Amino acid sequence: QVQLVQSGAEVKKPGASVKVSCKASGYTFISYGISWVRQAPGQGLEWMGWISAYLGNTNYAQKFQGRVTMTTDSSTSTAYMELRSLRYDDTAVYYCAREDFGEPPDYWGQGTLVTVSS
Amino acid sequence: QSVLTQPPSASGTPRQRVTISCSGSSSNIGRNYVYWYQQLPGTAPKLLIYGNSQRPSGVPDRFSGSKSDTSASLAISGLRSEDEADYYCAAWDESLSVHVFGTGTKVTVL
Repeated sequence: QVQLVQSGAEVKKPGASVKVSCKASGYTFISYGISWVRQAPGQGLEWMGWISAYLGNTNYAQKFQGRVTMTTDSSTSTAYMELRSLRYDDTAVYYCAREDFGEPPDYWGQGTLVTVSS
Repeated sequence: QSVLTQPPSASGTPRQRVTISCSGSSSNIGRNYVYWYQQLPGTAPKLLIYGNSQRPSGVPDRFSGSKSDTSASLAISGLRSEDEADYYCAAWDESLSVHVFGTGTKVTVL
């Protein structure tokens, strides 16, 4: 069965960076892309961007351009999302999700809570 | 920021039918497929509907989706206690080049 397992919770200070991992199993990793979606406490869902696990090309939401980097490692079927220059309002649960080009994100990871606090 | 508008809440008694609306624009719902997610408390979203009205394998046929122009709706028939969750609509937005999500609707089973 398709599974996406994310790294554990993180606490970071403002201005720092965080890197979240997402290990995929149960399907051919390079046949799909990975999207990242975040959810602030008590708030809705916000799509951050997508990366092709085959070609490595990315599509970042303009809001995160310059602050986010998404990468993949096909040898370990793992995707990564790094967010830099963290602010208090970056506090959220970050989800990875499998996404085929032109299709909605279907299978989701369990989420990683990133807390930005001084 | 949520680009698609949903009612904040909806409720019904067991076995009733509940409908959730989702309003967008010509750059998202008006041009692309709509999908719906169910988010149970403390868990990740689960894809409920794709392609406006298609259900992934394993999703009960009590859940149905439809779309008209720049709006969409999700219907839950035969409401059950385990349907208590937040529901989000979503679509690709051509102008923003992002997936946009709805504001979310909390469904309560009375």
